[in-house]
Amino acid sequence: DSGVTQTPKHLITATGQRVTLRCSPRSGDLSVYWYQQSLDQGLQFLIQYYNGEERAKGNILERFSAQQFPDLHSELNLSSLELGDSALYFCASSAGSGGGGEKLFFGSGTQLSVL
Amino acid sequence: GQNIDQPTEMTATEGAIVQINCTYQTSGFNGLFWYQQHAGEAPTFLSYNVLDGLEEKGRFSSFLSRSKGYSYLLLKELQMKDSASYLCAVVDYGQNFVFGPGTRLSVLP
Repeated sequence: DSGVTQTPKHLITATGQRVTLRCSPRSGDLSVYWYQQSLDQGLQFLIQYYNGEERAKGNILERFSAQQFPDLHSELNLSSLELGDSALYFCASSAGSGGGGEKLFFGSGTQLSVL
Repeated sequence: GQNIDQPTEMTATEGAIVQINCTYQTSGFNGLFWYQQHAGEAPTFLSYNVLDGLEEKGRFSSFLSRSKGYSYLLLKELQMKDSASYLCAVVDYGQNFVFGPGTRLSVLP
């Protein structure tokens, strides 16, 4: 158990809908990262928050948004969903802002299926 | 741009040794990680290299050559449970983790 909690584990929805994925980082970790992993593909970095502020942005679509709350949990909002958004979404956390050998600890992921 | 290459798939026999290579071209270098990911599960940390050379940790070792933009993960005494994807990730100058596509390893009896 990495200590990172993601909910829900599975989500099935229809095209055009909006969903929210939730992540609680390990106790004491200040950074939260969101990754998307499509079938047989690598981890695509979406966005990182550090202590409530956006720190880095990857290939995140405009239809997607995220935030980190004062208690450090984070939410990833996906709207106007398309079939191609079906993927495994991982949240990871690290102690600081990243770098210096900081490991990422991953949650068990949310499997999103858009029908 | 950021580019990390790994072989897509590898197959090896139980008890054998396998080497998984990773080459990278990134915007700077601040360390390289290897993660293991079983199908449908979360990636888990295996090793970290920031200086050239070999880091050994039990059955797993990882090597880094910064001048060549090259790393490998060496798995010895392969077990069936080692069947998984192995992800190479480079931390660039912006302290961003850049993951490679992963290598799917199948261990056969």
